[in-house]
This record gives sequence, C-alpha cells and structure tokens, in this order.
Amino acid sequence: NAGVTQTPKFQVLKTGQSMTLQCAQDMNHEYMSWYRQDPGMGLRLIHYSVGAGITDQGEVPNGYNVSRSTTEDFPLRLLSAAPSQTSVYFCASRRLATYQETQYFGPGTRLLVL
Amino acid sequence: GNSVTQMEGPVTLSEEAFLTINCTYTATGYPSLFWYVQYPGEGLQLLLKATKADDKGSNKGFEATYRKETTSFHLEKGSVQVSDSAVYFCALSEPHMDSSYKLIFGSGTRLLVRP
Repeated sequence: NAGVTQTPKFQVLKTGQSMTLQCAQDMNHEYMSWYRQDPGMGLRLIHYSVGAGITDQGEVPNGYNVSRSTTEDFPLRLLSAAPSQTSVYFCASRRLATYQETQYFGPGTRLLVL
Repeated sequence: GNSVTQMEGPVTLSEEAFLTINCTYTATGYPSLFWYVQYPGEGLQLLLKATKADDKGSNKGFEATYRKETTSFHLEKGSVQVSDSAVYFCALSEPHMDSSYKLIFGSGTRLLVRP
C-alpha cells in the first residue's frame, strides 16, 4: 500500500493565483482531512470528509474549497492565494469505526505564496 | 472546548538522557489520547496511543500513561538517541456529532538530541 500520497511536494504561487493540492489514499478509509501546519501553532483542521459526497468545514476553512467524489481522492483548492496561506499542508485519513482509530498522514505539501 | 496543552520547546538533551514531554488535556468526555512524531521533512506518524484511563501506550522505548485524575498523558523515554530528534505532538480524539471523531493537536514540542 502506498498509504496517503500528496502532490506536489513544493509549490510557489503568486498572490491571486489558484491551485489544487492533490491527496489520495489506498486504504479505503472513510474519513479524510486537510490540515495546515504553521510554526508554533500545531496542526489546524481546514476541511474534512466522512465519505464520498460529504464534506464539512474545520477550524480554518476560509479561502479553501474541497470535494470528495471518490473514496480515494480529496483535493484541496486554493481559490485566490494569499501570503497568509503560506504553510505546510498535510492530508490525512483514517477509518471511522471508532474514535480510537489511528490517523495516517501524507508527506506534506510546502506552499509559498509571494 | 476540548484542548491539548504541551510544554514549550525546544527540548535539548544529550544522548542517553531521560526524556519527559508534558501533555495535559481538557475534555468533557472520555477521549482517546495519542502521541504523533514528525521527523524532519516528513508527515506525522503515530508513536503510541491509549484509549482509556490508566492505559499505558508504548513503542520504540517511549511510554505514556493515560491519567484521568490529572488529565495528563506525558511522554517518557529512558534513554534518548540522536535519531529521536523530531517534533512530538500530543493529540486527543473526541466523539463528534457527525461521527467524525476529530483529532485535536497540541502545538508540538521539538526535541533535539546531541551526540
């Protein structure tokens, strides 16, 4: 199993540009989520999904869109990039069976917005 | 709301020293508790977990005990190695109305082990 994969690994954008961060998992997990990691702030939840066709907002959703058309894929879209969105983005997935389930993380996408 | 508080870092130790990273939590119910580790340039990976009071999670020489009376889940290791240098995140998982069981993370503690 590849686990959770993310592309690209690194991206530079100009203010106002849009882009999509890709995330895929091959573990048939119902739950997928996106976090951003900023220095001194831990991980903050952006959006999450409990299954195909179902998404919801997390702690910091503004400026981001998501969709979940398949179990495997959960792309994150930046509509109009801003310097405040410079961060490292992690995708994660897990089973929904119980709240004791382990969450698996991708390797991250480092985004720089100029 | 529920939250996780970790000790500020960085924590700098010499090889073979004893490690403690403090973690306390606030929760209304009975969460599961986790320690995740992030090695340089990588994503987070589970280090250990405990799902009920007095449970001890352990892995790779690390241990943490779920203490409900003190709402703590401190991470310990008896003898650290240079390869343990990483950022450690304490987290809790709480049941949620939509059954999503969100993970709530602490801010992370960076550990640097010197040879």
